[in-house]
Amino acid sequence: DAKTTQPNSMESNEEEPVHLPCNHSTISGTDYIHWYRQLPSQGPEYVIHGLTSNVNNRMASLAIAEDRKSSTLILHRATLRDAAVYYCILRDVTLAGNDMRFGAGTRLTVKP
Amino acid sequence: NAGVTQTPKFQVLKTGQSMTLQCAQDMNHEYMSWYRQDPGMGLRLIHYSVGAGITDQGEVPNGYNVSRSTTEDFPLRLLSAAPSQTSVYFCASSPSRGGHNEQFFGPGTRLTVL
Repeated sequence: DAKTTQPNSMESNEEEPVHLPCNHSTISGTDYIHWYRQLPSQGPEYVIHGLTSNVNNRMASLAIAEDRKSSTLILHRATLRDAAVYYCILRDVTLAGNDMRFGAGTRLTVKP
Repeated sequence: NAGVTQTPKFQVLKTGQSMTLQCAQDMNHEYMSWYRQDPGMGLRLIHYSVGAGITDQGEVPNGYNVSRSTTEDFPLRLLSAAPSQTSVYFCASSPSRGGHNEQFFGPGTRLTVL
């Protein structure tokens, strides 16, 4: 299974943009890049996902490198409610292989 | 829609006791799965189901049983609880198993085995 690498922790100031990086150098052509976040004492929450092109939704933007070996989750204006652990996960579009593999993620701290 | 619901929210068991963690979804999703999360760690897949009557093992299946008799429900059974099963358990569902789908997670069940 393709693996992802994320920094253990990052800090941001409130109302500033945040760029959360993820490396996935062994990504296969059938892997979607997913981002989930987990707020304290809650279940994971879907943020965004993409295959090749950059994606935007109401929560965030996902920038995918041209070679797909890395991606960046962008929170345009961090709020205190965005403090969470962010997971970058690869999901195979085919039926082969195991399901989502959660690593340790990046713990985002947002300072007022 | 209630989404994915889990009961109970908290449970304390003694070693050797059995129990069933309940999970239900009202989104008519084919794919359901169970994860456990130990302190300071990411989630690990226990069992999953791609549809009613079909289940398979994930990364850490030992000590757990599952069944899927309906599309809506996917209970997780601990036959003989052990302290190593102290964890937070999350149930998730998805329209199908394909990587283009998002997963919806329940609020979790916090289990302590003494």
